[in-house]
Amino acid sequence: DAKTTQPPSMDCAEGRAANLPCNHSTISGNEYVYWYRQIHSQGPQYIIHGLKNNETNEMASLIITEDRKSSTLILPHATLRDTAVYYCIVRAYNNAGNMLTFGGGTRLMVKP
Amino acid sequence: AAGVIQSPRHLIKEKRETATLKCYPIPRHDTVYWYQQGPGQDPQFLISFYEKMQSDKGSIPDRFSAQQFSDYHSELNMSSLELGDSALYFCASSPRQNSPLHFGNGTRLTVT
Repeated sequence: DAKTTQPPSMDCAEGRAANLPCNHSTISGNEYVYWYRQIHSQGPQYIIHGLKNNETNEMASLIITEDRKSSTLILPHATLRDTAVYYCIVRAYNNAGNMLTFGGGTRLMVKP
Repeated sequence: AAGVIQSPRHLIKEKRETATLKCYPIPRHDTVYWYQQGPGQDPQFLISFYEKMQSDKGSIPDRFSAQQFSDYHSELNMSSLELGDSALYFCASSPRQNSPLHFGNGTRLTVT
């Protein structure tokens, strides 16, 4: 799977949008971009994923550049409960059981 | 909605003992994944099962084994425990190939 690069940490003011960038310049055509977050010592939580189109759900929006080499996760109105480590993961669409590989991540601190 | 259930939530064992962790996937999920997360580290993939057959294998020590049963629940068996096995162990499940993984809240194993 392609490697991703994320800033190690970011701050965001409560109520403002949090924009978390991710670089995946070696992504292949059959690889999806997934975002997960992990609140301290809890299980990772699925947020959103996409292939090439922008995606939105009740939690967040995912913006993928046209060349697919980078993406941005947007939390539109960050709350204190959004403080967590956010992982951008590229995952191939292939045979059964393909796992997620966690690495790095961005520690987002939402401040009052 | 039903989530991934892991038991026990906490487990304390001594060196050289054995431990068994259990995972009950979300109903109708046929794929199970096991992850290990040491203190201050990212989750590391151990092993996965699809339709009761092992599908991927990660950095799982030879002292560990796992299986998925006919009701799709899974067990991770750990023998000759070492101090370094102290970690959070997460199980995740997914309903089909290439769909998002949903994680349980983990088992915290402490080896003394």
